[in-house]
Amino acid sequence: GEDVEQSLFLSVREGDSSVINCTYTDSSSTYLYWYKQEPGAGLQLLTYIFSNMDMKQDQRLTVLLNKKDKHLSLRIADTQTGDSAIYFCAERQPSGTYKYIFGTGTRLKVLA
Amino acid sequence: EAGVAQSPRYKIIEKRQSVAFWCNPISGHATLYWYQQILGQGPKLLIQFQNNGVVDDSQLPKDRFSAERLKGVDSTLKIQPAKLEDSAVYLCASRAGTSGGTDTQYFGPGTRLTVL
Repeated sequence: GEDVEQSLFLSVREGDSSVINCTYTDSSSTYLYWYKQEPGAGLQLLTYIFSNMDMKQDQRLTVLLNKKDKHLSLRIADTQTGDSAIYFCAERQPSGTYKYIFGTGTRLKVLA
Repeated sequence: EAGVAQSPRYKIIEKRQSVAFWCNPISGHATLYWYQQILGQGPKLLIQFQNNGVVDDSQLPKDRFSAERLKGVDSTLKIQPAKLEDSAVYLCASRAGTSGGTDTQYFGPGTRLTVL
């Protein structure tokens, strides 16, 4: 199947850590991505992880990948009000067509 | 480097009318994608071009949607006639076409279509 699932909402206090979760069904996906979408804007790439890695850290962002459970997470340390947005995970299909399947999106609200 | 440009940003039409969207990808990007994003959902691929050829249009409702990428640069997406359920944001994205995880898509701001 091609379903990529995410929880719909997450609310955290400024300064706390946020963890956004994603599950996917295609175990042969090569790369997994996290995108951020602010109101009225397109999707902005935040980070990505190759399928043979289990963790990647990039400044305040930490991506964890559990291939056995097909689970991907994005941790944002020291969450700021500017992090309020919708976050999408996406998987790149293994075929040569470079097709991307997006999750349903998680709306993160950061409370001051 | 200029990003992906789309126009118009907003469009309101009545059902059964026609509408067209335009996308100018990042210079040199070989692959171009059109996505439909319905409110509260993730983007759904409509069509993917590699240069001026179609790679995947399996989810394009071909009875009413059409797209072209003449000369392998700009692209237009057309809906004729529009239905109420076509109300969505239409996103264009482009990709360089090299390899690796960094060779990902860059998105335009989208066109918000409202069908009344």
